[in-house]
This record gives sequence, structure tokens and C-alpha cells, in this order.
Amino acid sequence: GQNIDQPTEMTATEGAIVQINCTYQTSGFNGLFWYQQHAGEAPTFLSYNVLDGLEEKGRFSSFLSRSKGYSYLLLKELQMKDSASYLCAVRDSNYQLIWGAGTKLIIKP
Amino acid sequence: IAGITQAPTSQILAAGRRMTLRCTQDMRHNAMYWYRQDLGLGLRLIHYSNTAGTTGKGEVPDGYSVSRANTDDFPLTLASAVPSQTSVYFCASSEGREAGELFFGEGSRLTVL
Repeated sequence: GQNIDQPTEMTATEGAIVQINCTYQTSGFNGLFWYQQHAGEAPTFLSYNVLDGLEEKGRFSSFLSRSKGYSYLLLKELQMKDSASYLCAVRDSNYQLIWGAGTKLIIKP
Repeated sequence: IAGITQAPTSQILAAGRRMTLRCTQDMRHNAMYWYRQDLGLGLRLIHYSNTAGTTGKGEVPDGYSVSRANTDDFPLTLASAVPSQTSVYFCASSEGREAGELFFGEGSRLTVL
């Protein structure tokens, strides 16, 4: 079966750096997405990786290794507003998105 | 700037009742989706539509139906609601099924008693 694994919850300190990992086993691969979801709100798009390597977008970066079935989202200079759930999703060979359960990130002052 | 609009935002209904969740997008996206989100689980696809006039079943389609009469609207109907359909429902759209990120509506919180 298809599976996306990410930690359930992580805690980090304001101003610090945190890395949220995502591993996947899917039928084929056509890209990996990271979304941010604040409590009670809709998911919003953060990043997309389809080739190996690092994609940087301001304080957020996302890394992909297709051979390892692995990605991470790196958040720098953490702010209290970064407290949210982070969802990893993989587009499989049928172009269906397979979603992880999300990682709840708690930021402490 | 609307994007995707869902209605109602929240609803409580009795088991056995029929319910339609509305979804409208103004981005002229070809593909639209309905997901449900339950605590501890990833988003699960209920139904999707690649383009107006076509629909397809997702991972958890039982008990739900959809229609796509035009590009903008994609309603989700629960013919006879059951308590296990208590969930948060998200409508989403993308330029195409094979490309582009998904844009989500604000969600509809449904409680079936």
C-alpha cells in the first residue's frame, strides 16, 4: 500500500531552526508537496519538489531525495505564527495526491 | 479575491438526512476535489473531477456523490448521512489533475448525530 510517514508533533523555540521529515512509499512519483495548516483553517501551499535537491523560499526550504523516498521541510528563524500543522503529500503515478497525517509544530517563546 | 468558497461553514444534522455541501471556484481551474479530514489521519479524497462534465471516485467515495455541471461548481451530496460522516470537508481545485498545487476552500465542519 501507499504510505506517507511524518512525526506527529514537534516542539521548537522561537528564533530557532526546525526540520520536519517526511518519508514515503508510493506507486510512482510525480512530485512532493508541503502545505501549512493553521488550526481551524484550510491548508495553504508552501513548496513543491519534483527533482532531487533543495528548494529555498525565504525562511522555508524543502529537500527531496527520490532514491531514499525522503523529504524534509526546514523552517528558519522560527516565529510564533509558524505554529501550525505541516502536511506532506506525494503525487503518485496516477497523479493522485497521497497525504501524510501532518506534523503539529509547537513554537515556544 | 474569492478563490474557493464553501458553504455551509458548519452544520449539524440528524442521521438519515440528505445534505449538500456547496463549492464554487472563480479561478477557472479544470480540476476540483473533495477531501475529508479526520483527526490523526491524512486528507482523504472522496471524489474528484478532472474537467467539467466528468467525475471520478477517490479513496473513500461510499455514501457521497458529486456533480460537475460547469467549471465553477462542484457540490458534494450525502444522500443519507451517518455519524461516521462527521468530519471536516475541504473542497480544492488545481489548474489540472497532473499539474499545479491545490488551492483549498475554508472547509465545512459537519456533525451527524
